[in-house]
Amino acid sequence: EIVLTQSPGTLSLSPGERATLSCRASQSVSSSYLAWYQQKPGQAPRLLIYGASSRATGIPDRFSGSGSGTDFTLTISRLEPEDFAVYYCQQYGSSPPRATFGGGTKVEIK
Amino acid sequence: EVQLVESGGGLVQPGRSLRLSCAASGFTFDDYAMHWVRQAPGKGLEWVSGISWNSGSIGYADSVKGRFTISRDNAKNSLYLQMNSLRAEDTALYYCAKARGALDYWGQGTLVTVSS
Repeated sequence: EIVLTQSPGTLSLSPGERATLSCRASQSVSSSYLAWYQQKPGQAPRLLIYGASSRATGIPDRFSGSGSGTDFTLTISRLEPEDFAVYYCQQYGSSPPRATFGGGTKVEIK
Repeated sequence: EVQLVESGGGLVQPGRSLRLSCAASGFTFDDYAMHWVRQAPGKGLEWVSGISWNSGSIGYADSVKGRFTISRDNAKNSLYLQMNSLRAEDTALYYCAKARGALDYWGQGTLVTVSS
């Protein structure tokens, strides 16, 4: 079973700053099956990035994903007030349908 | 507009059963795999189970294997999760989610509390 480790656990930044979030897998993951989600308090998660680097519908271009193998990164180029939230990476597969989430990174206002 | 509405949560004693439902609308339900994901209070996301479009392929997390059963009724545009032998550690908000590879739409969740 693949384990996803996200770091840091908490990122304290100011609006306008750049955020870099890391997701490391215990074994190689196909880039096609790595996603990132944003979750705000009291809300369901929202898909941001799929296939490691493709933005989901309606996601602003300040969000970008990169990486391959065991190391993946979510970058928020300039933090907007609405970006302060918890972010999860996820590895997924289809046969059988399965998924694994990382433990999450909280991006908080400094 | 895609909508996923979960129901069936509630307070249940340890060892008892509960059946969750997810009503889907706004998309062709039988074209997509579906998943259940849960979140314990104050904790992260945990994948629970997934089912292919035709129920031919099903997966479970080790933590629920043998206790939970996922199913779907494409004629009713509905997804289900039968939860047996519930434990305190199953207490969580349970989300259903539509899968297009990644989970692109989520419901708002239904809360399951396992306590005596």
